[in-house]
Amino acid sequence: AQSVAQPEDQVNVAEGNPLTVKCTYSVSGNPYLFWYVQYPNRGLQFLLKYITGDNLVKGSYGFEAEFNKSQTSFHLKKPSALVSDSALYFCAVRDASGTYKYIFGTGTRLKVLA
Amino acid sequence: NAGVTQTPKFQVLKTGQSMTLQCAQDMNHNSMYWYRQDPGMGLRLIYYSASEGTTDKGEVPNGYNVSRLNKREFSLRLESAAPSQTSVYFCASSDTPTGAYEQYFGPGTRLTVT
Repeated sequence: AQSVAQPEDQVNVAEGNPLTVKCTYSVSGNPYLFWYVQYPNRGLQFLLKYITGDNLVKGSYGFEAEFNKSQTSFHLKKPSALVSDSALYFCAVRDASGTYKYIFGTGTRLKVLA
Repeated sequence: NAGVTQTPKFQVLKTGQSMTLQCAQDMNHNSMYWYRQDPGMGLRLIYYSASEGTTDKGEVPNGYNVSRLNKREFSLRLESAAPSQTSVYFCASSDTPTGAYEQYFGPGTRLTVT
């Protein structure tokens, strides 16, 4: 069965410092991996995805994520955090075997302190 | 191009009442999804429609029914609302099954059942 784990409910970081939001996954085949961001009272917005190829993928708003197959991880990173990055972040996985279902993690609240 | 739209934005129901949540997308996407979001539980899939004319159960289908009215529209019906169905409901679409495409989300419907 597919699953996604986001081990941290909340991450606090000072503005200007690098940030990491962690995600690990479990799928039976090759994974398609996604990160989404949710601002208060809004729907989720797509940030970036890993399908195949380069393990480091770049996305919107300066975010990037590193796919690590041996550790089954897909951590979200940004070199320099902004206060406006404060939001709820979700990792999601889809099994490349043909199912059209996406499984979401429980979310990590990022708080960037001025 | 409005993306994914949902109506209504807010709704209060009494236990036992019924209602239909409407969702429409104008991106010509094949697949559509209904999720519910509850604190600490992330997004859980209720039903999805991989393509026009098909629907399948997700993780938490009990108490819900869906209709894929056409390629654009995917509705979610609560036949007899229960307090446990108090949640925020999100509709999403993507261009699967032809590829590993990201999902696009609507703004959500906040439902309270008393």
